[in-house]
Amino acid sequence: DVVMTQTPPSLSVAIGQSVSISCKSSQSLVYSDGKTYLHWLLQSPGRSPKRLIYQVSNLGSGVPDRFSGTGSQKDFTLKISRVEAEDLGVYYCAQTTHFPNTFGAGTKLELK
Amino acid sequence: EVQLVESGGGLVQPGRSLKLSCLASGFTFSNYGMNWIRQAPGKGLEWVASISSSSSYIYYADTVKGRFTISRDNAKNTLYLQMTSLRSEDTALYYCARSTTYWGQGVMVTVSS
Repeated sequence: DVVMTQTPPSLSVAIGQSVSISCKSSQSLVYSDGKTYLHWLLQSPGRSPKRLIYQVSNLGSGVPDRFSGTGSQKDFTLKISRVEAEDLGVYYCAQTTHFPNTFGAGTKLELK
Repeated sequence: EVQLVESGGGLVQPGRSLKLSCLASGFTFSNYGMNWIRQAPGKGLEWVASISSSSSYIYYADTVKGRFTISRDNAKNTLYLQMTSLRSEDTALYYCARSTTYWGQGVMVTVSS
């Protein structure tokens, strides 16, 4: 199974600060079609997960451009510029290139 | 608007069975693969099973293989998860999801005597 290692496990930030979350996979996430199926999700407290970014760097519908994703092969990063209160929650990376699909353990973003 | 509405959860004794349903609307259900993903209380996300649009391809996590069965009825726009031989470690909020894009609100399954 592909292991997704997500760091840090938690972040304490001030509103307006920028932060980055790392996600490293144990195998390349490039699929046979040439695409990389690495996604970022946010689970706000008491809510279902919401997809923010798909295929490494594509912003989901309605997601503010304060969110950006970069990376390739096995090393990926989510950056949040100018954190707002609504951004608080747990962030997960997820890979759907390989079965079983797997998730990172999550990064909890909290207010400082 | 895409909607996924799970039902069928509840409290069940270890070793017993339960069947979850997920009613989809707002998109052409028969065109999309679907997934079940679960989240144990206070824990992260765990993929459980996937089924392709025509049910030709089905995959399970090792933790549920042989005990859970994913299926779908495209005429009823409904996804199912038949769970048998339930264990305490199956206690979780079960989400129906279309890829990682759309998620239901989840349905709670508690396995306890």
